[in-house]
This record gives sequence, C-alpha cells and structure tokens, in this order.
Amino acid sequence: QSALTQPASVSGSPGQSITISCTGTSSDVGSYNLVSWYQQHPGKAPKLMIYEVSKRPSGVSNRFSGSKSGNTASLTISGLQAEDEADYYCCSYAGSSTFQVFGGGTKLTVL
Amino acid sequence: QLQLQESGPGLVKPSETLSLTCTVSGGSISSRSYYWGWIRQPPGKGLEWIGSIYYSGSTYYNPSLKSRVTISVDTSTNQFSLKLSSVTAADTAVYYCARHFYTDTAMVDYWGQGTLVTVSS
Repeated sequence: QSALTQPASVSGSPGQSITISCTGTSSDVGSYNLVSWYQQHPGKAPKLMIYEVSKRPSGVSNRFSGSKSGNTASLTISGLQAEDEADYYCCSYAGSSTFQVFGGGTKLTVL
Repeated sequence: QLQLQESGPGLVKPSETLSLTCTVSGGSISSRSYYWGWIRQPPGKGLEWIGSIYYSGSTYYNPSLKSRVTISVDTSTNQFSLKLSSVTAADTAVYYCARHFYTDTAMVDYWGQGTLVTVSS
C-alpha cells in the first residue's frame, strides 16, 4: 500500500487561508469517507484535527476544515496563526487488511 | 483522562528483536470501541502504521512489515506490546502507541509521547 501524496510544504501569512491536498487512490481515499488529518509540532506526538473527512474533535478550532473530492482529500486552515506552523499528515482507511495509510506530510510555514 | 506510555530499550542491535510495551491508564484496554496500535516515525520522516490489536487478541499488520511484527495484548495489566524482529538501521524511529476507533481506524484520538529506538551496534 503506497503512501498518500501530499505537497512537501505550503506557506501563508497570518490571517490568510491555506489548503493542503492529500491524493490517494480508489482503494483508499476514493472508497471511504474515513480520512483524518493530524497536526504535529516538533518533538510532539501528532494531534487529531479532522476525522471522517470533515468532522472536528471537541476542542479543535473551527478554523480547521476538511473536504474530499474523488481520490483527493483537503485540509483548509483559515485565519492562519503563528501557532498553526507545524507538520500536517493525512491518513485514510484502506480496507480490512490496511487500517491506516498516511500521507508523507506537509510542512506549514506561517510567514 | 486516558494516557498511553511506551517503555522499552532505546538501543537495539542489528538483527535482534525490538520489544516495546504500551501501558494504558485512565481507561480499559478491553473496551469494544477501540483498537490499540503502533505507529512509527523515522527521524525527519513521516508516519507509518505498524499494526494494531483488538482486546480479544485479533491482530492486523502493515503488509510491508507483517513477516517481522508481532503485537500482543494483556488485558489483566492493561498493556499491549510490539515485537519487531531482524531489525536494521531502517527501523530506527520514534515508536508511538496509540488508540484508534473500531469504526474508523484512521482516527487516532490518543497517542503515547513516543519513544526513540535506535538500531545500532
């Protein structure tokens, strides 16, 4: 099972919006509405930001939103803040024998 | 508040077996709603799912690691464990234990702090 494809880096200025894409296949992202997004600051464990494509866990800012079209899922962060600078990973269910397949990660820089 | 804590050697020799244990506190590992898994992250690289286990003992492994991985659970001590055999330098990584949902295995809501395991002679 190949990793999902994410851009290596994205950047934006405070207050702007950015979108991170996550491209899979018809065997993972395209077949299931079970895509999650994780935020990881240096030296820390990942934190769940979005699950089931577009749902936010309690406590996650509504500046974070998710969507999906075909084999590509997306994470949008609006009103960028300095604290949003981190690595972001997408993750998809890929069938009964492959619980999780991750994207390669995207480094977000807040300029 | 649920907590997960990894424990085990930080240094393993090539060709030997890596062994880690995750202790779950603040909740029961016997819950029917969750799987318990291992995820690793090589230095400077991305996340990779290793495998997961249900409280009943059912296991699911990453096909690329399946031949070398064994995950077990001990409900009496609220722990689950990872064994990875025949390790090489490529297995050097931060290893996280984690909880993910039975109905959405891509959804990990609790993570351990992670433990760095270095494979070196």
